[in-house]
Amino acid sequence: KQEVTQIPAALSVPEGENLVLNCSFTDSAIYNLQWFRQDPGKGLTSLLLIQSSQREQTSGRLNASLDKSSGRSTLYIAASQPGDSATYLCAVLGNQFYFGTGTSLTVIP
Amino acid sequence: DAMVIQNPRYQVTQFGKPVTLSCSQTLNHNVMYWYQQKSSQAPKLLFHYYDKDFNNEADTPDNFQSRRPNTSFCFLDIRSPGLGDAAMYLCATSRGRTGPYEQYFGPGTRLTVT
Repeated sequence: KQEVTQIPAALSVPEGENLVLNCSFTDSAIYNLQWFRQDPGKGLTSLLLIQSSQREQTSGRLNASLDKSSGRSTLYIAASQPGDSATYLCAVLGNQFYFGTGTSLTVIP
Repeated sequence: DAMVIQNPRYQVTQFGKPVTLSCSQTLNHNVMYWYQQKSSQAPKLLFHYYDKDFNNEADTPDNFQSRRPNTSFCFLDIRSPGLGDAAMYLCATSRGRTGPYEQYFGPGTRLTVT
C-alpha cells in the first residue's frame, strides 16, 4: 500500500523567507502528484498538479518538483507571506489518491 | 465558475440520528469522492463513484452509505452517527479515476455529533 509522508509536521518561519516543504511516497507507480493548501476548518485548495512525466510545475511564488524514481516531491515557496500560513498537503494518484498528513506552516510577520 | 458545492457547511446531529450530507458539482466530472478528515489527520477516502459505479473502501464502516442520483449530485448518508463520526467531510471530483487527473474539492461539511 502506498504511504505518503510529509516532513516536517510543522514549520514556523519569518516573513520573507524562502522555504521548502517535503513529501515522500513509497510506490513510484503514480500518475500524478498534487499539492493542496488547507486553511483551518476549510476544504482543500489545489495549488499545483505534477504529472508523472513532468519534473516540476510553477505557479507564482510556488514551485513544485517531482522525482518519481526516488519517491520525492518538494514544494518551494518564495518570499513567504503571513497569508501563506496554512496546512499544506500532498497527494499522489496511483490506483487511488493517497494523502500525506500535511505540514502546518506559520509565517510570522 | 465551475465548482464543487457542499451543503450544509456545518451540521449538528444527535447521537444515533440519521444525517445526510450533500455534494454537487458543475464540472461534469465522472468521479465523485467522499473523504472523512479528523483533526490534524490526512483525509481518509470513504468511497467514490465512477459514473454510477459505486466503489467502497474496505475499511469504511457499514454505517456510511452513499447515493449518486445523477452526474451532478452525490450524497453521504450516516445511518446512526456516533461520537467518533464527528469530523470534516470532504467531497471531491475528478475527470477520471486513473491517469493525470486533478482532484477538485468542495469546502467541506463540519459534522458535530451531540
